[in-house]
Amino acid sequence: DTEVTQTPKHLVMGMTNKKSLKCEQHMGHRAMYWYKQKAKKPPELMFVYSYEKLSINESVPSRFSPECPNSSLLNLHLHALQPEDSALYLCASSRTAGALNDEQYFGPGTRLTVT
Amino acid sequence: DQQVKQNSPSLSVQEGRISILNCDYTNSMFDYFLWYKKYPAEGPTFLISISSIKDKNEDGRFTVFLNKSAKHLSLHIVPSQPGDSAVYFCAASVGGTGTASKLTFGTGTRLQVTL
Repeated sequence: DTEVTQTPKHLVMGMTNKKSLKCEQHMGHRAMYWYKQKAKKPPELMFVYSYEKLSINESVPSRFSPECPNSSLLNLHLHALQPEDSALYLCASSRTAGALNDEQYFGPGTRLTVT
Repeated sequence: DQQVKQNSPSLSVQEGRISILNCDYTNSMFDYFLWYKKYPAEGPTFLISISSIKDKNEDGRFTVFLNKSAKHLSLHIVPSQPGDSAVYFCAASVGGTGTASKLTFGTGTRLQVTL
């Protein structure tokens, strides 16, 4: 199983809503990542979890709150988002974080629209 | 500051011919390079990678070449097939840090393989 799954596929939320994005992998990977991708731009790293601990936060606003309940699951809690936060949110995983020659495997993404 | 650059936003190649996608980088600390392929509304799919200790890596129709002195890498696809039509992202990382893997993506090249 080399799959990273993400739910939901699409999400529309108002600026006062609270919602969560979910990511799951069963490859035994111990590093998980959240990326944000705007149209016609490359993915931009938001957070890295290594062994269920947050190891990188790329100065992401606090309206995005990541959570790693266990080694297979990664959540992104959303609250009071702005329309400019509308984007494709990608989850990825890798065997470890910071190891040599370690590929990241991506999920299909959640297309988020903030109205 | 764009540390990984793909100067050709698009490329059109006839089926059966060679596709050559180029990528330049500025950070001499990068020591691991990857190519991802992305279809619309899907997450990036890992294609092939190369460590900085090598200058070539081949996997089926895909070959990646690395020229460290020029800080340049390229992806060759031979023969090109219509199913190869997608956006290709070059990515780079500093491996072996033991803390976290940060992938820096290029801006992408849209490859169109025509019949």
